[in-house]
Amino acid sequence: AQSVSQHNHHVILSEAASLELGCNYSYGGTVNLFWYVQYPGQHLQLLLKYFSGDPLVKGIKGFEAEFIKSKFSFNLRKPSVQWSDTAEYFCAVNAGYGGATNKLIFGTGTLLAVQP
Amino acid sequence: EAGVVQSPRYKIIEKKQPVAFWCNPISGHNTLYWYRQNLGQGPELLIRYENEEAVDDSQLPKDRFSAERLKGVDSTLKIQPAELGDSAVYLCASSSRTAGTGYNEQFFGPGTRLTVL
Repeated sequence: AQSVSQHNHHVILSEAASLELGCNYSYGGTVNLFWYVQYPGQHLQLLLKYFSGDPLVKGIKGFEAEFIKSKFSFNLRKPSVQWSDTAEYFCAVNAGYGGATNKLIFGTGTLLAVQP
Repeated sequence: EAGVVQSPRYKIIEKKQPVAFWCNPISGHNTLYWYRQNLGQGPELLIRYENEEAVDDSQLPKDRFSAERLKGVDSTLKIQPAELGDSAVYLCASSSRTAGTGYNEQFFGPGTRLTVL
């Protein structure tokens, strides 16, 4: 069965620090990869996604992620975090190209706290 | 456009009581999903509808959970009877189906936080 691992459960950073959140998935075939974010008191929303092409994808609010197929990884990065980035971040995979299942498998999430 | 609407936002019940959650998807979205998110975990799919048809309910505990999507719009998820372990956030999401494309972005509602005492 497909699974997604997020190794950092809690991350605390100061403003302007760089961020990298790890995500690994277990599926040997074609995958679609996503990062979702949930700000305090708000619903889940899409941060960025990878379907194909350039493995470095850029999302909203200065976030980017790099797909490394050989490492089964899709790490999220931001060069300089802000207090407003405090949120929970979820990595997710949709296994099976063409959206045949349209089923997202989520990681356990990483809670990011940015200190002003 | 309006997002996915869910009600109630919070529900506290005693074990063995029934409970129901309601979801109104984004207008025009024919795919609807129910997820359960346990504390400290990511969402897990319970059931997926394409219009009125439940096309993936493999993770739905059918002994106590049921869902319906009459007329292919609103949906209701029910638990009867509820158990302590059912305490979680129940999320509804919807997406549109576009012919010839792959994955369609899922838009999530705010969720219903269920506490079973």
